Amino acid sequence: SAVISQKPSRDICQRGTSLTIQCQVDSQVTMMFWYRQQPGQSLTLIATANQGSEATYESGFVIDKFPISRPNLTFSTLTVSNMSPEDSSIYLCSVDQAFFGQGTRLTVV
Amino acid sequence: EDQVTQSPEALRLQEGESSSLNCSYTVSGLRGLFWYRQDPGKGPEFLFTLYSAGEEKEKERLKATLTKKESFLHITAPKPEDSATYLCAVQASDSWGKFQFGAGTQVVVTP
Repeated sequence: SAVISQKPSRDICQRGTSLTIQCQVDSQVTMMFWYRQQPGQSLTLIATANQGSEATYESGFVIDKFPISRPNLTFSTLTVSNMSPEDSSIYLCSVDQAFFGQGTRLTVV
Repeated sequence: EDQVTQSPEALRLQEGESSSLNCSYTVSGLRGLFWYRQDPGKGPEFLFTLYSAGEEKEKERLKATLTKKESFLHITAPKPEDSATYLCAVQASDSWGKFQFGAGTQVVVTP
């Protein structure tokens, strides 16, 4: 099983600013996934991040709003850009789809 | 389009009162069906993967079964620590790595 560390665990941000979320895995993995979980709802896939290539975004999510980096096989970041209150959610990273980080609870005010 | 529907939305049980959660799905071809447990403020915790109709898996008081159209998560003699939201997700055979999650069933077990 993989151990996933996600930072920060929570943050309160001003609208118009950006937040970068980090995801560190204790083993090398090919694919990492970023999800959003809006209040009271289930998980929605934002994008898939492969090392050495551009992330693949799902319908409704764009790179300018959610830029992703994947510099190596154990680390990825997701940035939520130009935030608005509608971006208030829990953001989760996942590897192998079976293992999830603890999530980042983001509140935009 | 792939769809996953979980029922009921919420379930309140007395300790020891067994019950089942349902996950019905529509997918072009099933690569796998996954069950997770999610506690408040935490990420989903993997429970089971089922790959083919007729398959069953067990873990402590939980048992997952799969048919061609749905999966059941049976909770036998639940305890208060089984209180959580249970999520199911499907992975289609033509979309490796892409999961479709259901909305979840929130289970509360009272002493």
